[in-house]
Amino acid sequence: DTAVSQTPKYLVTQMGNDKSIKCEQNLGHDTMYWYKQDSKKFLKIMFSYNNKELIINETVPNRFSPKSPDKAHLNLHINSLELGDSAVYFCASSPRPTGELFFGEGSRLTVL
Amino acid sequence: AQKVTQAQTEISVVEKEDVTLDCVYETRDTTYYLFWYKQPPSGELVFLIRRNSFDEQNEISGRYSWNFQKSTSSFNFTITASQVVDSAVYFCALGGGMTTDSWGKLQFGAGTQVVVTP
Repeated sequence: DTAVSQTPKYLVTQMGNDKSIKCEQNLGHDTMYWYKQDSKKFLKIMFSYNNKELIINETVPNRFSPKSPDKAHLNLHINSLELGDSAVYFCASSPRPTGELFFGEGSRLTVL
Repeated sequence: AQKVTQAQTEISVVEKEDVTLDCVYETRDTTYYLFWYKQPPSGELVFLIRRNSFDEQNEISGRYSWNFQKSTSSFNFTITASQVVDSAVYFCALGGGMTTDSWGKLQFGAGTQVVVTP
């Protein structure tokens, strides 16, 4: 039973398209995150939500819109995809604000 | 600003050798948290350890051990008697601050690729 699950695992799409990645956690955590890992494996936070409320928006272009329908779900919608959006997107959750993050398996997005 | 430096890009060892991964951090926070994560070739990020800034005890978990030295702002990680399954990228990360806009905001190092050959 996967603790943090993301779908889809792979996304290949054309520039200009819109795509979504879904994330669900069954750990009962209040806080969820989106992190981006670029081609050099550098990891950077994009967003965090605590109990459905946006806490961190780390200067991400507004083409990226997270949505948290409830505290167990955090989805990421990306409009007008660009080549530079190609990356692995990781969803994570945490039992406490200063706690360890539990990551999903990642969603590899390739924009052609 | 917070910063994490993992100066070693890649370390190659032969099985059963010990390997130590260096992590040096910078922060102005008096309370902060340090983490290590493992990313095997399959790509997932696996949590290994969390350490509070006020707890300088070293920790051992099986073949893994961590050495936290506040005086040198370092949080090094040693794998004893390495195995092929230890081949992965290892990330050190720093979190901290007590305001809500720092919650879960981990500053990751660039990662160290460990290659263990039989």
